[in-house]
Amino acid sequence: DIQMTQSPSSLSASVGDRVTITCRASENISLLLNWYQHRPGKAPNLLIYAASNLQSGVPSRFSGSASGTDFTLTISSVQPEDFATYYCQQSASTPITFGQGTRLEIK
Amino acid sequence: QVQLVESGGGVVQPGRSLRISCAASGFRFSRNAMHWVRQAPGKGLEWVAVIWNDGSKKYYVDSVKGRFTVSRDNSKNTLYLEMNSLRAEDTAVYFCARDFRGVISWFDAWGQGTLVTVSS
Repeated sequence: DIQMTQSPSSLSASVGDRVTITCRASENISLLLNWYQHRPGKAPNLLIYAASNLQSGVPSRFSGSASGTDFTLTISSVQPEDFATYYCQQSASTPITFGQGTRLEIK
Repeated sequence: QVQLVESGGGVVQPGRSLRISCAASGFRFSRNAMHWVRQAPGKGLEWVAVIWNDGSKKYYVDSVKGRFTVSRDNSKNTLYLEMNSLRAEDTAVYFCARDFRGVISWFDAWGQGTLVTVSS
């Protein structure tokens, strides 16, 4: 199985901060890496697909990048509605696997 | 608009069975692969199963192989998860999710989830 190692597990930030979350795959997954936002009690929401493509309707402050087996989600200026948990996910092979999540909290 | 609504969750005893459903609307259901994803209390997201758009292929996470069966009825726009021999560790909120494609790509729509509690 492909392991996805996500860091940090939690992060405190203030509104307006730039935030970066990283995810490392245990083997080559090409660009088959997606990012989701999940607020408690809500449906998860796709932010970025195929490593760097912004999903329709998602604010442009979210961006994704890739370098080999390392992937990054960046929020350029955190807004109050961004405080949630973020997950990376590989879709290169089954079983599909998620990172363990990064909880973004208000400082 | 795209809507996915799960139902059928509840409290079930260990070793018993339960079937949960996901009713889809707002898109051509038969075009998309569909997934089940779960979240145990206090834990992260865990992918459970996928079924191809035409039902021709199904894949599962190892921990549910032989116990869970994913199926779909494209005439009813409904996805199912039949769960047998349930264990305490299957306790979770179960989400259905639409794949962007007919095979595996990314999950572009999710339901709100249905809670399954396995307890005596």
